[in-house]
Amino acid sequence: GQNIDQPTEMTATEGAIVQINCTYQTSGFNGLFWYQQHAGEAPTFLSYNVLDGLEEKGRFSSFLSRSKGYSYLLLKELQMKDSASYLCAAYSNDYKLSFGAGTTVTVRA
Amino acid sequence: DSGVTQTPKHLITATGQRVTLRCSPRSGDLSVYWYQQSLDQGLQFLIQYYNGEERAKGNILERFSAQQFPDLHSELNLSSLELGDSALYFCASSVDGEDTQYFGPGTRLTVL
Repeated sequence: GQNIDQPTEMTATEGAIVQINCTYQTSGFNGLFWYQQHAGEAPTFLSYNVLDGLEEKGRFSSFLSRSKGYSYLLLKELQMKDSASYLCAAYSNDYKLSFGAGTTVTVRA
Repeated sequence: DSGVTQTPKHLITATGQRVTLRCSPRSGDLSVYWYQQSLDQGLQFLIQYYNGEERAKGNILERFSAQQFPDLHSELNLSSLELGDSALYFCASSVDGEDTQYFGPGTRLTVL
């Protein structure tokens, strides 16, 4: 089965850093995706981690620890447009992508 | 714009009816996925097709069915609709079914 947990909401100030944690219990785990979703819109791909460690992509970084079943998404230099829901998703070897409920990030001026 | 297209954008229908949602994947992508997203639940995986064949099945109701055609577009059929079927339905595509999925804009279904 799949169990993915992430906080429901986070609030941060423009220019700050926010870290969104995700823990997963996924049988046949292959890798961990992060998607961004603005309300009423399609999820857009942010990152995919297969190996342990940190991957940096501009203002966004993602970390994975397979042994701990843990990942985080780090958003730096927050901008108002970063206010959105961030979805953690575990990919398993039965070709299924299981999503967490999402973390709503609100960026305040 | 992800390159995945979905029609229609909005659909309003009544309980007991049947609807068909359509998806065209990105050029070159062989795999198509369907997801349901309702207010009280996250994105729920329904079904995946790869090059015309069903590859994986999630929490798809028996009232729902899907297929992928030779030109790789896909249709999701929802029948005997209930109020609880009201949701956003997303289609996603990927190159080989094991890589990054790119999502279409979704179809918002309202069942009255």
